[in-house]
Amino acid sequence: AQSVTQPDIHITVSEGASLELRCNYSYGATPYLFWYVQSPGQGLQLLLKYFSGDTLVQGIKGFEAEFKRSQSSFNLRKPSVHWSDAAEYFCAVQISNFGNEKLTFGTGTRLTIIP
Amino acid sequence: DTGVSQDPRHKITKRGQNVTFRCDPISEHNRLYWYRQTLGQGPEFLTYFQNEAQLEKSRLLSDRFSAERPKGSFSTLEIQRTEQGDSAMYLCASSRVREKLFFGSGTQLSVL
Repeated sequence: AQSVTQPDIHITVSEGASLELRCNYSYGATPYLFWYVQSPGQGLQLLLKYFSGDTLVQGIKGFEAEFKRSQSSFNLRKPSVHWSDAAEYFCAVQISNFGNEKLTFGTGTRLTIIP
Repeated sequence: DTGVSQDPRHKITKRGQNVTFRCDPISEHNRLYWYRQTLGQGPEFLTYFQNEAQLEKSRLLSDRFSAERPKGSFSTLEIQRTEQGDSAMYLCASSRVREKLFFGSGTQLSVL
């Protein structure tokens, strides 16, 4: 079965600093890959997704992620964080079988922004 | 497009009671998903529907749990004889086939 690992439970960065959130997946083939953000009291919002093609994908809110097959990773980056980026971030995978769009999520990384 | 709506937002119940949650998906979405999220964890898949048909159920969905989507529109998730371990956020999502999932804000269940 596929699995997702987010090794960092909590990250604190200063406003304006760069950010990288790590995600590793375990699956026999290349799954579809996603990053979601969850703010308190809000539903999960899709930031970006990778299905195939260019391994650097751009998302909303200035986020990007790079798929590295050799490392089974899909790390999320942002060059300069804003206070409004404070939230919980989840990496997720989906088996690319065009059936059930079921997602398997990692345990999440909580991002704190300090002034 | 009013988004995915879940009701109630919060539910407090005593152990052994039954609870029911409702999810109203985005109107043109034929797929509907239920997930459960406990503190410090990511959402875990419970079940999903295509129209009114329940196509997959997770092993997490014990026989105390039942989900329905009677007319292919809204869905209900019922938990019978609640246990403290059922305390969690229950998330609903909807989508068109092969398109991205839209999540609701969830129902937070606390079992005392």
